Amino acid sequence: AQSVTQPDIHITVSEGASLELRCNYSYGATPYLFWYVQSPGQGLQLLLKYFSGDTLVQGIKGFEAEFKRSQSSFNLRKPSVHWSDAAEYFCAVTRSYNTDKLIFGTGTRLQVFP
Amino acid sequence: KAGVTQTPRYLIKTRGQQVTLSCSPISGHRSVSWYQQTPGQGLQFLFEYFSETQRNKGNFPGRFSGRQFSNSRSEMNVSTLELGDSALYLCASSLDAGGLYNEQFFGPGTRLTVL
Repeated sequence: AQSVTQPDIHITVSEGASLELRCNYSYGATPYLFWYVQSPGQGLQLLLKYFSGDTLVQGIKGFEAEFKRSQSSFNLRKPSVHWSDAAEYFCAVTRSYNTDKLIFGTGTRLQVFP
Repeated sequence: KAGVTQTPRYLIKTRGQQVTLSCSPISGHRSVSWYQQTPGQGLQFLFEYFSETQRNKGNFPGRFSGRQFSNSRSEMNVSTLELGDSALYLCASSLDAGGLYNEQFFGPGTRLTVL
């Protein structure tokens, strides 16, 4: 069965520091991978997605993620965090050509200190 | 272009009642998916509708049902509400262009509280 693991429930960083949020997936076929962000009281916004090709993908708001098949990972990174990045981040996976049934991880809550 | 809209935004019901939530997708989007978000279970897929037909279904009891209208608007219904149904219900729409070009856009959600 497909599954997504986000090992870190809560991460705290200082503004300006670098950030890496971890995501590991379990999937038998080629996965489609996503990172979403959810601010309090809001829906989910897509940060970036990986379908194939270059394993380093760029997203919005300065985020990037690297797909590592050997490690079954799709970690999200940002070189310098801003206070407005404080939110909850979700990694998700779906099977090829049917991206409307997303399997989400449990999320990582990011807190940013000034 | 207007985003995905969900109504109502907040709802309070009592156990045993039923509830209907509404979702209007982005104009031109044909696929609508529903998700339940709770602190304990996280984000879980409920079902997906395309062209008025349920195309995918998650692992939820039959009390949870949905439908889609010819204009792609969708409703979900929960009958015989239980305390555990308290959650944020998110709707997402997509073009359903397939694969690389498909992306789900989420609405702000409906916060359901069951007392």
